[in-house]
Amino acid sequence: DTGVSQDPRHKITKRGQNVTFRCDPISEHNRLYWYRQTLGQGPEFLTYFQNEAQLEKSRLLSDRFSAERPKGSFSTLEIQRTEQGDSAMYLCASSLGDRGGDTIYFGEGSWLTVV
Amino acid sequence: GESVGLHLPTLSVQEGDNSIINCAYSNSASDYFIWYKQESGKGPQFIIDIRSNMDKRQGQRVTVLLNKTVKHLSLQIAATQPGDSAVYFCAEKENYGQNFVFGPGTRLSVLP
Repeated sequence: DTGVSQDPRHKITKRGQNVTFRCDPISEHNRLYWYRQTLGQGPEFLTYFQNEAQLEKSRLLSDRFSAERPKGSFSTLEIQRTEQGDSAMYLCASSLGDRGGDTIYFGEGSWLTVV
Repeated sequence: GESVGLHLPTLSVQEGDNSIINCAYSNSASDYFIWYKQESGKGPQFIIDIRSNMDKRQGQRVTVLLNKTVKHLSLQIAATQPGDSAVYFCAEKENYGQNFVFGPGTRLSVLP
């Protein structure tokens, strides 16, 4: 499977704990995006990377959220001191960007439940 | 601000009929639009896209229509099948921007 890969697919954590999600984009895609989706809603943009540079962050991305893409390949999204309101599906997507297209392709998502 | 919305939150069609899912957008600067299909527990799956220099684009069993005058997008699915049951989202992006804005989605149910 050469699609966007996300891990873990499901995570249950206690309030106040830290969680980290990993995303492996489609090979040769230099843009990587993180979105958040709650039940019954469309995905909401969080942030995106062009190679290793984080170029845009949404106001939704509070100080407790941090994303990295250190080598321009995989990315991690960490949530510190989780709150119940963080419960959602975290979606990663990638695109070729300036290599040939801005169509974004999503992974299967990482479900977070904060109890 | 920019927003993408849908006229109907749910749509039920008989198997074999054609489906039409509508989407209204408000940002006149948007120049690229994508329709996604999302099945329960899965990520959004790309269906078809269209740029603002076109008003129609066809794929396999799907057609997207874009009316820039009234800022309206539609997805037509021919001969709807049970496997088409899912939530459908339209997403828009401004030229030079990277942020896709999604609407809340339309749930399509295909009746036997």
